[in-house]
Amino acid sequence: AQTVTQSQPEMSVQEAETVTLSCTYDTSESDYYLFWYKQPPSRQMILVIRQEAYKQQNATENRFSVNFQKAAKSFSLKISDSQLGDAAMYFCAPWGTPLVFGKGTRLSVIA
Amino acid sequence: DTGVSQDPRHKITKRGQNVTFRCDPISEHNRLYWYRQTLGQGPEFLTYFQNEAQLEKSRLLSDRFSAERPKGSFSTLEIQRTEQGDSAMYLCASSLGPQGGFFGPGTRLTVL
Repeated sequence: AQTVTQSQPEMSVQEAETVTLSCTYDTSESDYYLFWYKQPPSRQMILVIRQEAYKQQNATENRFSVNFQKAAKSFSLKISDSQLGDAAMYFCAPWGTPLVFGKGTRLSVIA
Repeated sequence: DTGVSQDPRHKITKRGQNVTFRCDPISEHNRLYWYRQTLGQGPEFLTYFQNEAQLEKSRLLSDRFSAERPKGSFSTLEIQRTEQGDSAMYLCASSLGPQGGFFGPGTRLTVL
């Protein structure tokens, strides 16, 4: 069974600063994907970034990047130049078909 | 249409009634997933389809829950004899293989 741990229930960041959200997981699969999803107050789940486990290069999507440590089973999300619109719940999900989500990290952005 | 749609967006029902939700995935996506989310928690997997075949069901999916995807396109999730504990957001997602699910806006169910 897959497990996902997001150890930071809440985080806050000043606008324009950088914040890192952590995620660790356990899986027996060798080839998989990992995802970060954002859920704003509207509760629509939005795919933020995707990492393929076989790729050593960390994924980047505009201001969002990941630090993927496969051996350590760690998959953190870095948000650079934080904006007010980044405030949301963030969920880490390693792919297992189906997705298994962590409990989430609530990110607040302070103007 | 470029996204996953769900209908209705909100449903209020009385305990003991049956409810049915619909999900229309992104048209070329062969996989469709149902999740349930309660406040303060991440989404929990309920069931998933690859085309019209239901490949996996969570133990959360009691006998009162049934899902179908008759032609490999839209899907329905029915809850019979609803209970107050069924109150939650029901999320649908679709994907083309293991490429990450794109989620719909959800159906919020309130059981009185």
